[in-house]
Parts: sequence; C-alpha cells; structure tokens
Amino acid sequence: AQSVTQPDIHITVSEGASLELRCNYSYGATPYLFWYVQSPGQGLQLLLKYFSGDTLVQGIKGFEAEFKRSQSSFNLRKPSVHWSDAAEYFCAVGARSTGNTPLVFGKGTRLSVIA
Amino acid sequence: DSGVTQTPKHLITATGQRVTLRCSPRSGDLSVYWYQQSLDQGLQFLIQYYNGEERAKGNILERFSAQQFPDLHSELNLSSLELGDSALYFCASSPGLAGRYNEQFFGPGTRLTVL
Repeated sequence: AQSVTQPDIHITVSEGASLELRCNYSYGATPYLFWYVQSPGQGLQLLLKYFSGDTLVQGIKGFEAEFKRSQSSFNLRKPSVHWSDAAEYFCAVGARSTGNTPLVFGKGTRLSVIA
Repeated sequence: DSGVTQTPKHLITATGQRVTLRCSPRSGDLSVYWYQQSLDQGLQFLIQYYNGEERAKGNILERFSAQQFPDLHSELNLSSLELGDSALYFCASSPGLAGRYNEQFFGPGTRLTVL
C-alpha cells in the first residue's frame, strides 16, 4: 500500500521569498502524485498533478512540483510567495493498479506568510 | 468551483442527535468519498462508494453510515452524535476507481458543530 509523508507540519516564509514544501511517498512503482491546497474554511483545491512524462509539473497559482523517482519525492515549489498563499497544503499519492485504491493523503503542511 | 456540491454548509446540533449530510458529485463521476477533518486528527478518509456500492472503508465509526443513490448523490448519516464529532466533513468525487481516474475533486464541506 502507498503512503505519504509531509515532514514539515508548519512553515513560515516572508512574502516574496521562495517556497519549497516537501513530500515523500512510499510505493512499489511510479505512482500518481497530487498537490492540493486548502484555504481556511474552504475545501481542497487541486494545485497540480503528475501522471507521467515530464517530471517538472506546472500548476495553478504559479506553483510547480518536481517528481524525483530516486528520492521518492514530489516537492512543491514557488519562486515568490504571496500573502494569499497562506493555507494548508496536502500531498497525495495514487496507485497505478487496476483495483480500487483511493488516494492516500499526507497530514498536510501549514504555510504562514509574513510581511 | 469543483462541481461537487455539499449541503448544508453549516449544521449545529446537540449531542445524541442524528444528522444527514448530502453530496452531489461532479457530472459523470461515479466515485464518491467522504472525509472528516478536525484539528487534532487532520484529514481522515471515512468511506468510498462507486456506482452505488461501498468500495473502501477508512476510519469510519459504527455510528456513521453512508449510501450512494441511483442518481449518484451520496448521504453521510451521523447518529448518536458526540462533542468529538464536531468537524468539517468533505465529500469528493472522481471519475472512476483506479489510476488517474481516482483524481479527486472536493466539495466545499459541511461544518458540523455538536453542542
């Protein structure tokens, strides 16, 4: 079964600084990978996803993520953080099997942005 | 807007009561998932339905039950409510069961407060 680890529970960055949120997964093959964002009091919104092909994936709101098979990682990055990026970020992994395997979510990383 | 709708948006009730949360998936999606999100437990997967049948169970209490109807909408029933059941309840939907077809789209959530 697949699993996801987001090592950082809470990160604080200054507005305009770069951001990297870490995600490590455990799965026997190349998984499907997702990043979701949740603003306070809101549902989860898909930021980006990796299925196959180019390992650098572009998403909405200026985010990107890079799949690194050798490190079992799918870190989320943004070159310049805006105050509106303050939210909770969830990494999720899906299996490529043909059976029923719901996505597995990490515990989330809360991002705070300071002026 | 993900296309997933949930009603009601807010629900306030008393301990011992029973409530029903409703979810309408995106048009064409056959899978529906229910999640509970609380401050101490994070995002917890409860249960999944696919085309009317239960397909996966997570950390769902025996006091909770769900079903998916022929029109694919789903209801989550919570009974004998306790203070600790206060949480955000999310519904998500996906086109299918496995692989890229279980990319999930989340509704805005129902905030349940048990007094």
